[in-house]
Amino acid sequence: IQMTQSPSSLSASVGDRVTITCRANQFIDTFLHWYQQKPGKAPKLLIFAASSLQSGVPSRFSASGTGTEFSLTISSLQPDDVATYFCQQSFSTPPWTFGQGTKVEIK
Amino acid sequence: EVQLVESGGDLVQPGGSLRLSCAVSGFTFTSYWMSWVRQAPGKGLEWVATIKPDDSEIYYVNSVKGRFTISRANTKDSLYLHMDNLRAEDTAVYFCARHDCGGIGCFPQTFEYWGQGTQVTVAS
Repeated sequence: IQMTQSPSSLSASVGDRVTITCRANQFIDTFLHWYQQKPGKAPKLLIFAASSLQSGVPSRFSASGTGTEFSLTISSLQPDDVATYFCQQSFSTPPWTFGQGTKVEIK
Repeated sequence: EVQLVESGGDLVQPGGSLRLSCAVSGFTFTSYWMSWVRQAPGKGLEWVATIKPDDSEIYYVNSVKGRFTISRANTKDSLYLHMDNLRAEDTAVYFCARHDCGGIGCFPQTFEYWGQGTQVTVAS
């Protein structure tokens, strides 16, 4: 299953609403998860099962989608949100695949 | 606190071998599915291999089948990745990851916790 994210990068101002899209090339129900990776660090799980917020993740992060189209939204971009965001599918048995990533920067 | 600490990364020549280790703490290792995920320089994440708590199910990405072996030592709270016949395209940071699946009958979905990674460089 191939995962395609868009855009590959974006630059927005502090306080802006930011949305990242992830598309699967086949049906994956809600077996879709989002990770945040800050430079030089390990990825961190943000969202699981398409829309459930992982414990401790700020409420400005939200996500939605089902089937083949998914999105991650940051309601009010903060400097701490500068990172690369990856989606990952877990539909059926491995191979599990990731999107290519979306790099988020502050304008 | 869940902790995963990788070690064993190194510079190795093409065709060489390497064994990565991941020491875990803060959770019951014998209950959880575990994986290795890698990230080539400047690239995205690639799932590499996964092992069930009792070793009864193991999965590999096609590009490493026959060359890499994932294993675990439940008495030592440790995960391993033995890599043979290494190629330049195996150059990456290798992350150890614990899945969200820690009970009987569950199947892993997310990579819930990650180590800090260990660098593997394959070059002559």
